[in-house]
Amino acid sequence: GAVVSQHPSRVICKSGTSVKIECRSLDFQATTMFWYRQFPKQSLMLMATSNEGSKATYEQGVEKDKFLINHASLTLSTLTVTSAHPEDSSFYICSASGRAPGQFFGPGTRLTVL
Amino acid sequence: SQKIEQNSEALNIQEGKTATLTCNYTNYSPAYLQWYRQDPGRGPVFLLLIRENEKEKRKERLKVTFDTTLKQSLFHITASQPADSATYLCALLNAGNMLTFGGGTRLMVKP
Repeated sequence: GAVVSQHPSRVICKSGTSVKIECRSLDFQATTMFWYRQFPKQSLMLMATSNEGSKATYEQGVEKDKFLINHASLTLSTLTVTSAHPEDSSFYICSASGRAPGQFFGPGTRLTVL
Repeated sequence: SQKIEQNSEALNIQEGKTATLTCNYTNYSPAYLQWYRQDPGRGPVFLLLIRENEKEKRKERLKVTFDTTLKQSLFHITASQPADSATYLCALLNAGNMLTFGGGTRLMVKP
């Protein structure tokens, strides 16, 4: 149980384009989804928290117009990196939580912006 | 401020031995504590969750203890195998399911 998928696993895009990453909870209803980014050899950094049907809450320093988050259903959240630049290249990981305690993570998406 | 410390950046042990990883925290009263495994280029994989009123939890070769007086959790892998080599993350979870991570401990199990 508690399986979370992410798609795509890798994406390479040109500077200035937008990229959408999907996060799905496969076997439970995710009332809350979280988006993290992780740089090499560093710990996960929380970017934003979203509750189904509500606007996301962004952590300090994370641009909400740059990282658009939509949590339209209890099983799907999307992160769109708008007008991506090379400094946005990173490993993006989502997690989900439902009624039971705990966060369950997706496998991550490696974004490379050329 | 909240602080979570995991023992040493890297832990090297011989195959078959028991690996013990430490997680200490300050200025925090977590409702739960989770341990994850993370391999390079992959998201964290959930291993065990222990509640504040539980002292010990086991799952196959894994054992977690949680001492809220000492503000410490110990994570044990018995009969360790080279395939157990990974980074192990301790994370404190509050009642709102918000996580705070430790820096992780990289475990290397040598054959």
